[in-house]
Amino acid sequence: AQKVTQAQTEISVVEKEDVTLDCVYETRDTTYYLFWYKQPPSGELVFLIRRNSFDEQNEISGRYSWNFQKSTSSFNFTITASQVVDSAVYFCALSEPGDYKLSFGAGTTVTVRA
Amino acid sequence: DAGVIQSPRHEVTEMGQEVTLRCKPISGHNSLFWYRQTMMRGLELLIYFNNNVPIDDSGMPEDRFSAKMPNASFSTLKIQPSEPRDSAVYFCASSLGQGAQGYTFGSGTRLTVV
Repeated sequence: AQKVTQAQTEISVVEKEDVTLDCVYETRDTTYYLFWYKQPPSGELVFLIRRNSFDEQNEISGRYSWNFQKSTSSFNFTITASQVVDSAVYFCALSEPGDYKLSFGAGTTVTVRA
Repeated sequence: DAGVIQSPRHEVTEMGQEVTLRCKPISGHNSLFWYRQTMMRGLELLIYFNNNVPIDDSGMPEDRFSAKMPNASFSTLKIQPSEPRDSAVYFCASSLGQGAQGYTFGSGTRLTVV
C-alpha cells in the first residue's frame, strides 16, 4: 500500500505566484517522521525539512512553509512568491520507527515560468 | 564535510558487462542506503546497511545485484551481468541512526545499459 500520496503530478505557475504541494501519508504509528526533498534538474536530492509527528507547529523558512495536520494526515508544502529556480521535482517522504527506510511519494513536478 | 560522495556520476555500459557503483558516506553516519530511481517505479530502496552490516536487502531486484560495505567509509553496488532494464539513477544516502535524523543523499550515478 502506498504510504505517501502526492496527488499532484505537475504544477505550472508564473513567477511570483504561490504554489502549494499536497502530501498525504498513511501510518499506524503515533511516532513517525515526515520529510520533503527537492530534486532540481541537475538531479541531486536536496533535503528541505524533517518533521516529527509530535510537532504540529507550522514551519517557515524563507519563502518555504510547511503545514502539518495530523487530523488529516497531511504535510503540505507552500512556496511563496515562486521563482524560476524553484522549478524542480518535490518529494514528500515518511519514516516510521523501526522501519529504517524512507517511503517516498511519487513526486510533484513544479515548473515556474518567467 | 563533503557530503555523500558517489562515483561515477555517469556510466554507460554494454549489456552483459559488470558495473560497480561506489559510495562514500558522511563520516560518522552509521546507516547507509542504496536507492534506485526510475520513471516507472520512482525512488525505491534496494538495500540498507547499519554499522556496515546489511540489514535488509529485500529491495535488491535479483541475484545480479550485490552490495558490500567493507568499512564505515565505503560501499559498493555491483550489477553483474547488467541488462538494459537496469538503466536508472542510483542514489546512495547516509544517516546517523535509522532515518529519524534525516538522510543525506549523494549526487547519484546515472547508469545506462545499452
